[in-house]
Amino acid sequence: LAKTTQPISMDSYEGQEVNITCSHNNIATNDYITWYQQFPSQGPRFIIQGYKTKVTNEVASLFIPADRKSSTLSLPRVSLSDTAVYYCLVGENSGGYQKVTFGTGTKLQVIP
Amino acid sequence: EAQVTQNPRYLITVTGKKLTVTCSQNMNHEYMSWYRQDPGLGLRQIYYSMNVEVTDKGDVPEGYKVSRKEKRNFPLILESPSPNQTSLYFCASSLSRDRESRRGSYEQYFGPGTRLTVT
Repeated sequence: LAKTTQPISMDSYEGQEVNITCSHNNIATNDYITWYQQFPSQGPRFIIQGYKTKVTNEVASLFIPADRKSSTLSLPRVSLSDTAVYYCLVGENSGGYQKVTFGTGTKLQVIP
Repeated sequence: EAQVTQNPRYLITVTGKKLTVTCSQNMNHEYMSWYRQDPGLGLRQIYYSMNVEVTDKGDVPEGYKVSRKEKRNFPLILESPSPNQTSLYFCASSLSRDRESRRGSYEQYFGPGTRLTVT
């Protein structure tokens, strides 16, 4: 069974860079690590996914070390609208079937 | 527009009365999944499906059934709902593998959610 750990909450001022780390073990060896954003009463929304090293898109960067036992989501210059819960998602090492585990979620509060 | 739809969005029912929550996607995705979300427990996978007629249990399958007779639909069935199934339910779909790398991909599209209350 894959196990994930994230900080429960974080506070940040507007304009700062925010890094959220997820620790995960026993994850599927050939699958991406994925991050989601969720606002209250809405479904999670895909942000970014990666396999190793660094991936960047228009909203975030994702850093994954070679051992893939953790991943760090980086949000550059956050704004008030980035206040949300952020989840990592990993596939379980379950022999090719895509059973997944969501992280516990990190509630990010952006302060003006 | 690419989307995942769920119905109903809100449902209040009584213990033991069978119900079905429908889920449909228009993106020709192989992978579909059901989650429940409870305060303090995050999102937990109930069942998932790799393709038509291929389903498997997630972390919390007890009390639920699913079927995947068509690629676009993945209904969640509660044969005899109980109060501990009161929750917010999400359906999601995705490609099962990245087209280029062939790695397992979890870029899931989520439905708007179904808030279920069982009294």
